[in-house]
Amino acid sequence: RKEVEQDPGPFNVPEGATVAFNCTYSNSASQSFFWYRQDCRKEPKLLMSVYSSGNEDGRFTAQLNRASQYISLLIRDSKLSDSATYLCVVTPDSGTYKYIFGTGTRLKVLA
Amino acid sequence: DVKVTQSSRYLVKRTGEKVFLECVQDMDHENMFWYRQDPGLGLRLIYFSYDVKMKEKGDIPEGYSVSREKKERFSLILESASTNQTSMYLCAWGLGPADTQYFGPGTRLTVL
Repeated sequence: RKEVEQDPGPFNVPEGATVAFNCTYSNSASQSFFWYRQDCRKEPKLLMSVYSSGNEDGRFTAQLNRASQYISLLIRDSKLSDSATYLCVVTPDSGTYKYIFGTGTRLKVLA
Repeated sequence: DVKVTQSSRYLVKRTGEKVFLECVQDMDHENMFWYRQDPGLGLRLIYFSYDVKMKEKGDIPEGYSVSREKKERFSLILESASTNQTSMYLCAWGLGPADTQYFGPGTRLTVL
């Protein structure tokens, strides 16, 4: 089983739709969780951190479910500019510099 | 905002050449990282450094070495480039353990 798993997609959604991605992780001791966005042939950019209490930033909501070992990203009112690959990132413990990346979920928002 | 620059956006080299990839950050951050990204495999850590002259192997260090002589500069070296090292190489910096990492623009290396 991979340490971090994501559905590769693509998720094709119309503008204005709500879309959600999940990311599962295998290490129950994992400490920190992030969502990154990566545009084609560009570097990953931090979208948001994921806190135990959940995190909302405008149209984006991230949640953590430790019991089921997954994090989620919800995008409301999708825009064409949201089209990108969304990477889930997990750190295995609090003292590590190591990130474990998912392979990403591709989102296409259609006009 | 901290800026991370990488020496080249695109690079083409021949098998057996020695290749240097440079990464420079414009602040005084200790932690710097080198990753490669390949389709279907995601980002994989090659090496990281938490201070000048300090380095730690990541998950895939074979065929690579690094140099950190100054805090702002972290270099990745391919001693003898091979075709399976064709990839996107990403440099990053981070504040501390389990903390956010920020990436440079990447170097797309092709080894012929």
